[in-house]
Amino acid sequence: DAKTTQPNSMESNEEEPVHLPCNHSTISGTDYIHWYRQLPSQGPEYVIHGLTSNVNNRMASLAIAEDRKSSTLILHRATLRDAAVYYCILIDYGQNFVFGPGTRLSVLP
Amino acid sequence: ETGVTQSPTHLIKTRGQQVTLRCSSQSGHNTVSWYQQALGQGPQFIFQYYREEENGRGNFPPRFSGLQFPNYSSELNVNALELDDSALYLCASSRRGGGANTEAFFGQGTRLTVV
Repeated sequence: DAKTTQPNSMESNEEEPVHLPCNHSTISGTDYIHWYRQLPSQGPEYVIHGLTSNVNNRMASLAIAEDRKSSTLILHRATLRDAAVYYCILIDYGQNFVFGPGTRLSVLP
Repeated sequence: ETGVTQSPTHLIKTRGQQVTLRCSSQSGHNTVSWYQQALGQGPQFIFQYYREEENGRGNFPPRFSGLQFPNYSSELNVNALELDDSALYLCASSRRGGGANTEAFFGQGTRLTVV
């Protein structure tokens, strides 16, 4: 699986938008871009995924660069509950997740 | 809350002992993967089971083994426990037919402490 690069940590104020970046310069044409988050003392939780086009769901939006070498997870209004470690993962058919250290998001009240 | 259930939630074992961890997958999911998460790190892939057969393995020694049952539930067995095996063990279920275009659902994990 191709590797991803994310900032170690980010900080946001409550009710403000958050943009979490991810670089994946060696992505292959069949890799899907997945985002998961892990709240303290819990297992990872699915957030969103996409292949080429931008995606929206009830939790977040995923913006994918035209060359697919980077993507951004967008939380439109951060809440205290969004404080977590966010993982950007590239997945091929095998679905064996290769987790990096992720981005630890802190949300300030 | 996902439909993936892991048991037990916490476990303390002595070095050299054997342990079995269990996972009930989400309804309709035929693929189960196991991960080890050391404190402060991201989860590391151990292996995956699909239709009762191992279908991929990470960089873990043979003393880590598993099973998948006809109802798609799964077990992770670890023999000859070492102190470094202390970690959170996570189970994830998914629909294999969905390939990479589907999400996985993780359980809450089993916290194993080896003393």
